[in-house]
Amino acid sequence: NAGVTQTPKFRILKIGQSMTLQCTQDMNHNYMYWYRQDPGMGLKLIYYSVGAGITDKGEVPNGYNVSRSTTEDFPLRLELAAPSQTSVYFCASSYSAGVTEQFFGPGTRLTVL
Amino acid sequence: GQQVMQIPQYQHVQEGEDFTTYCNSSTTLSNIQWYKQRPGGHPVFLIQLVKSGEVKKQKRLTFQFGEAKKNSSLHITATQTTDVGTYFCAGWTGANSKLTFGKGITLSVRP
Repeated sequence: NAGVTQTPKFRILKIGQSMTLQCTQDMNHNYMYWYRQDPGMGLKLIYYSVGAGITDKGEVPNGYNVSRSTTEDFPLRLELAAPSQTSVYFCASSYSAGVTEQFFGPGTRLTVL
Repeated sequence: GQQVMQIPQYQHVQEGEDFTTYCNSSTTLSNIQWYKQRPGGHPVFLIQLVKSGEVKKQKRLTFQFGEAKKNSSLHITATQTTDVGTYFCAGWTGANSKLTFGKGITLSVRP
């Protein structure tokens, strides 16, 4: 099992550009999550999904969009990138909500200049 | 909303010293999880506590869930340089699909 994979590992965007961060898991998990991590600020939940076709906002959803067309994939879309979106983005998945561990991907380090 | 607090954010210890950190929730939890993130890495699950007063050990690490299920502690005996990293606690109330993560404590160990 590859677990949770994320692409790209690094990306530099110009202000106003758009991009999609890819996340795939091969564990057949229903629950998937997107977090952003800023230095000293812990993990902030952006969006999450409880299954294919179902998504919901987390703590900091503004400026982002998600979709979940399959169990395996949960892409995160950034529209009109802003310097405030410079961060490390982690995708995670779990078998169930809260009672089982979350498996994290290796992260995408995004810089917006 | 629910908050999970970890204070302080940073702690420096001499190798061989013991280390204890605490995690406090504003609401009663169904369970609490602990994760470790090595520098430049991603969070990795360490353990889950479910029962009131539960204590679990992993080698030199001891985890405890408070009697009221609103706080937890992590104790590391005789720290080693391999313990360096950020330790997060994450609580679940059972009311939704989300874990609430604390901001983490970053541990550095002087050899």
